[in-house]
Amino acid sequence: GAVVSQHPSWVICKSGTSVKIECRSLDFQATTMFWYRQFPKQSLMLMATSNEGSKATYEQGVEKDKFLINHASLTLSTLTVTSAHPEDSSFYICSASSDRNQPQHFGDGTRLSIL
Amino acid sequence: AQTVTQSQPEMSVQEAETVTLSCTYDTSESDYYLFWYKQPPSRQMILVIRQEAYKQQNATENRFSVNFQKAAKSFSLKISDSQLGDAAMYFCAYRSGSSGTYKYIFGTGTRLKVLA
Repeated sequence: GAVVSQHPSWVICKSGTSVKIECRSLDFQATTMFWYRQFPKQSLMLMATSNEGSKATYEQGVEKDKFLINHASLTLSTLTVTSAHPEDSSFYICSASSDRNQPQHFGDGTRLSIL
Repeated sequence: AQTVTQSQPEMSVQEAETVTLSCTYDTSESDYYLFWYKQPPSRQMILVIRQEAYKQQNATENRFSVNFQKAAKSFSLKISDSQLGDAAMYFCAYRSGSSGTYKYIFGTGTRLKVLA
């Protein structure tokens, strides 16, 4: 149980394009989803927290117009990197939680490479 | 604000031996959760073990156990009978139990090497 699917696992695209990453909870309802960014050999950096049906809460220093987050249903959240540039290249991971008594369950991550 | 510290960037253990990874945290809250996650080279985050602060008994999951010292704000992970598959980055995480958000505060991680 508690499976989170993240797609795509790897994407390469040209500078200036927008990229959408999907995060789905497959067997539970995720009231809250989280988006992280991880640089090589570093810890996870929380970018934003999204609750179903409401606007995402972004961490300090994260550009909300650059990283658009939508959490339209209890099983799906999306992260869109708009007008991506090489400095946006990174590993992005989502996680989901059903309630305050349950741990976060993580997707497998997306490796984003911007040429 | 809460903080999580993992003071060991890297640890090594011989296969079949026991290793302990340290984690300390700082908080003024009394209600919180602590977690250990494992991130192998595949980079998937795998929940290893969790501990509720209100529970005095240390959590155990097969070969994995914790030493939770609430007064000292310490939460170490013990891996017994280490296996090659245990090699990974290990992250300690804190989550408030009383605030409205479920967000984690992660430590910087400990890379565990298992020697054959």
